[in-house]
Amino acid sequence: NAGVTQTPKFQVLKTGQSMTLQCAQDMNHEYMSWYRQDPGMGLRLIHYSVGAGITDQGEVPNGYNVSRSTTEDFPLRLLSAAPSQTSVYFCASSATWGPRDSPRDYEQYFGPGTRLTVT
Amino acid sequence: AQTVTQSQPEMSVQEAETVTLSCTYDTSESNYYLFWYKQPPSRQMILVIRQEAYKQQNATENRFSVNFQKAAKSFSLKISDSQLGDTAMYFCAFTGAGSYQLTFGKGTKLSVIP
Repeated sequence: NAGVTQTPKFQVLKTGQSMTLQCAQDMNHEYMSWYRQDPGMGLRLIHYSVGAGITDQGEVPNGYNVSRSTTEDFPLRLLSAAPSQTSVYFCASSATWGPRDSPRDYEQYFGPGTRLTVT
Repeated sequence: AQTVTQSQPEMSVQEAETVTLSCTYDTSESNYYLFWYKQPPSRQMILVIRQEAYKQQNATENRFSVNFQKAAKSFSLKISDSQLGDTAMYFCAFTGAGSYQLTFGKGTKLSVIP
């Protein structure tokens, strides 16, 4: 059981290049999400998915695309990288999310993060 | 929109002492959940403790406990018998019971001094 995995761990891009950050989980979790972490800003939600084929925007979605074709995978795409997208990116998953009786349903498992630099 | 405020950007504590990290939040919802996450230098996000708003009893997990004051919208974290391994960034986070989004504070950097 690997939990939540992210690749790559580090990436340097030039402005205008595109790339995909990979995220996979092997816990059969319904809910997956992407956050970015910037110094002094905490973590901010980019996009999330409540199941295969269902995605929605978070707080800072501009410049990012997502899709969820399988339960296991939730890739994040940067179509045209900009220096403002230099950040550490975290993927997270949770068994379920939403109004439930058990608070454990809200427990998110985070991946190790990807440090992205755009020059 | 909900907001989460951590007013202490940095704190330090002597090993074996007790430290309290502050967190306040703003919401109009009546049912919600609050969390403290720890991020050590390894960058891994680790859930420390959670609190349901409808429970009056403060949550505890070993050396970690919270002081949840619903009327004041305050959710502080107390770490007892601080250990060197507690050195990390600590994030307070909020989600409404019907929400799909987790809102984080900006974090408090805690250093435990030998």
